[in-house]
Amino acid sequence: GAVVSQHPSRVICKSGTSVKIECRSLDFQATTMFWYRQFPKQSLMLMATSNEGSKATYEQGVEKDKFLINHASLTLSTLTVTSAHPEDSSFYICSASGRSTKAETQYFGPGTRLLVL
Amino acid sequence: EDKVVQSPLSLVVHEGDTVTLNCSYEVTNFRSLLWYKQEKKAPTFLFMLTSSGIEKKSGRLSSILDKKELFSILNITATQTGDSAVYLCVVPNNAGNMLTFGGGTRLMVKP
Repeated sequence: GAVVSQHPSRVICKSGTSVKIECRSLDFQATTMFWYRQFPKQSLMLMATSNEGSKATYEQGVEKDKFLINHASLTLSTLTVTSAHPEDSSFYICSASGRSTKAETQYFGPGTRLLVL
Repeated sequence: EDKVVQSPLSLVVHEGDTVTLNCSYEVTNFRSLLWYKQEKKAPTFLFMLTSSGIEKKSGRLSSILDKKELFSILNITATQTGDSAVYLCVVPNNAGNMLTFGGGTRLMVKP
């Protein structure tokens, strides 16, 4: 149990376009979802935390107008990278925790590799 | 500010060797410590530790927590090339809704 999926797994886009990444909890209700970014050979960096039905809380240094997060339901959160630039190229990972999972245990999606040309 | 430090940063061993990965932490209101394995994709959960001195085991992997000395170790015996990965030590905050990640230990197991 506790499976999290992400779509797409890889995306290549042109500079200036927007990209939407979906994160779904498949077999549990995710009351909280997290979005991370990971640069090569570095640990995960938390970008934002979102609770279902409320606005996301962004970490310091993360532009909320650039990285739009929506957590409209208990099984879906989306991250939209607006007006993408090459420096936005990275590995984006979501995780989720919920009522039927242990509070401390976040279950990670498989990640989305974004390349902005 | 919560802090999690892992050592060594990287490690190269040969198949069959035993490795010990270290994680020390400084957090307020400690609740639990988690170990994850990350290969090319997102981290996969290994262990959650909440009590001192109780070893958790899963096959060749085991882990133990020392809440007095504020550290945990992850042991891997009879390593295999498939164990090559980054191992992450993670500590949630008291509410369980925020994770502090260690920098990870990159393990490479050579045939």
